[in-house]
Amino acid sequence: SAVISQKPSRDICQRGTSLTIQCQVDSQVTMMFWYRQQPGQSLTLIATANQGSEATYESGFVIDKFPISRPNLTFSTLTVSNMSPEDSSIYLCSVYRTGDVEQYFGPGTRLTVT
Amino acid sequence: EDKVVQSPLSLVVHEGDTVTLNCSYEVTNFRSLLWYKQEKKAPTFLFMLTSSGIEKKSGRLSSILDKKELFSILNITATQTGDSAVYLCAVNKRSDNAGNMLTFGGGTRLMVKP
Repeated sequence: SAVISQKPSRDICQRGTSLTIQCQVDSQVTMMFWYRQQPGQSLTLIATANQGSEATYESGFVIDKFPISRPNLTFSTLTVSNMSPEDSSIYLCSVYRTGDVEQYFGPGTRLTVT
Repeated sequence: EDKVVQSPLSLVVHEGDTVTLNCSYEVTNFRSLLWYKQEKKAPTFLFMLTSSGIEKKSGRLSSILDKKELFSILNITATQTGDSAVYLCAVNKRSDNAGNMLTFGGGTRLMVKP
């Protein structure tokens, strides 16, 4: 299995500020993804973090709002920019390794924007 | 547009009851269907189904896929309070640029009372 850590685990931020969430995996992985889970909702894919190139964003998500980095095969960051209360969610990092059955999820970052 | 729909939205049962959770989907280029259990933040993997009619079983949990009717069920027998969680269904579709993209259903919130 892949062990994933995320930092911070939770944060309370003021509107208009930005927060960068880190995702670290204990082994090299093929794919890294960022998901958002708004209160009471299911998971929505924000983007696929591509190593060495720009992330691939899903419909409704843009790079200016959610810049993503992936400098190597074990680490990625997601920044939530110019936050508003609507950004209050759990943000989850997920990874997939070629040949694995499952896709693993990190413990999540609970973000509250006031 | 790809769609994954779970029912019921929520369910309250007593310990010892048997429950059946439903997941229907409409996606192009279906690859597999996955079930996850989410108790706090990180979803934990339960099953991956790729072939119709083959039951996957793990203890009191079992699941089966019907690719003709485009649905899956997750059964939990002799429920325990520890089964209380949100159960998520996700469909993995074949994609040229991101090998393991998951589209999640809205989840079924199960509460098992003593």
